[in-house]
Amino acid sequence: TQLLEQSPQFLSIQEGENLTVYCNSSSVFSSLQWYRQEPGEGPVLLVTVVTGGEVKKLKRLTFQFGDARKDSSLHITAAQPGDTGLYLCAGAPAGGTSYGKLTFGQGTILTVHP
Amino acid sequence: GAGVSQSPRYKVAKRGQDVALRCDPISGHVSLFWYQQALGQGPEFLTYFQNEAQLDKSGLPSDRFFAERPEGSVSTLKIQRTQQEDSAVYLCASSAAGTANSPLHFGNGTRLTVT
Repeated sequence: TQLLEQSPQFLSIQEGENLTVYCNSSSVFSSLQWYRQEPGEGPVLLVTVVTGGEVKKLKRLTFQFGDARKDSSLHITAAQPGDTGLYLCAGAPAGGTSYGKLTFGQGTILTVHP
Repeated sequence: GAGVSQSPRYKVAKRGQDVALRCDPISGHVSLFWYQQALGQGPEFLTYFQNEAQLDKSGLPSDRFFAERPEGSVSTLKIQRTQQEDSAVYLCASSAAGTANSPLHFGNGTRLTVT
């Protein structure tokens, strides 16, 4: 089993602050995805990173895939209350199935206070 | 519809009852996944279909769990003789192509509570 460790598990910050969520593994992933999930809804894909060292930006969100493709981070600049939610990283293991069976981290619950 | 639809949204079952959870994927999507999500945790893989073929059922926790997709579109996850540990949100996801980087589109899940 290829585990993805997410940290921190909980994050409570004030509006305007910056934050970083980490996703680490001892295993190599061919790609890594970040999802955001709100209560009562399914996860929604934010980004997919596939190349070691890749950096992708989505407005105030910056995603990075580690050079060795074992870890990833999500950085949010100037957090807003609308960013509140459960953030999940999910990886497709290198050498794994061709159809994209994903292993999910346990998630980071982010609360941004006005 | 535009997205993945799951029904019912909520299901309460008494221990020992059988339940059936339905998933309507996005039309034309080849791949369909079922995941189980415990409270405060990330989803865990249960099973995978490519069209009507169940190619991977390695995540099904016991032989009480059964999934089907007979015509390659709608899928049903059936749990027999439910137990309290089966209480969770069951998520269905579909993707257009059966490749590793195909984006997954999730439904809003069925929250199962076994009493």
